Amino acid sequence: GQQLNQSPQSMFIQEGEDVSMNCTSSSIFNTWLWYKQDPGEGPVLLIALYKAGELTSNGRLTAQFGITRKDSFLNISASIPSDVGIYFCAGQLGSQGNLIFGKGTKLSVKP
Amino acid sequence: GAGVSQSPSNKVTEKGKDVELRCDPISGHTALYWYRQSLGQGLEFLIYFQGNSAPDKSGLPSDRFSAERTGGSVSTLTIQRTQQEDSAVYLCASSPLRGYTIYFGEGSWLTVV
Repeated sequence: GQQLNQSPQSMFIQEGEDVSMNCTSSSIFNTWLWYKQDPGEGPVLLIALYKAGELTSNGRLTAQFGITRKDSFLNISASIPSDVGIYFCAGQLGSQGNLIFGKGTKLSVKP
Repeated sequence: GAGVSQSPSNKVTEKGKDVELRCDPISGHTALYWYRQSLGQGLEFLIYFQGNSAPDKSGLPSDRFSAERTGGSVSTLTIQRTQQEDSAVYLCASSPLRGYTIYFGEGSWLTVV
């Protein structure tokens, strides 16, 4: 099925470092969402973006909806061990379309 | 309930057997989705229900897969004559309406041996 291009595929970082990941697509999206999945759990919503150019923060997380509506990034500042997990971007085509997911970015944090 | 509830959480089945996976959406949510997540992969859309409308089945990988939603609430995903490539996590999600943020259950881990 259709998927977004999410990168990097995995990251190994030191505790305290900042993290950046992004998603790109050839399609225009109306909504971008970022989810985090812990082992054995379902994805949990982190941030939702609804307008092109929108920059939204949630604690140490910051996400932006690209101005072209074809990309989004997620930044995590001052990473901590509990940030470990898989981060998924998801875009919604049109106003009523399905969510299309990226393949995920696996984040590992060394204490 | 407070969140999306799925059962069973784990299922091991023999190749060729049928399996049923159940999803209880968040109370009041009219939209319900099924996704599949294979090991190391992203989430693959399977099927979508909105109220009493005909479901969007465009993501079902084969005619061995079917789903129903009774009374606009609980949904059952059925996989007939399971194959080893069906092994994956099957995730259910719900939202108040299509186009609104969706919330996931913890998934049903299916292993076909």
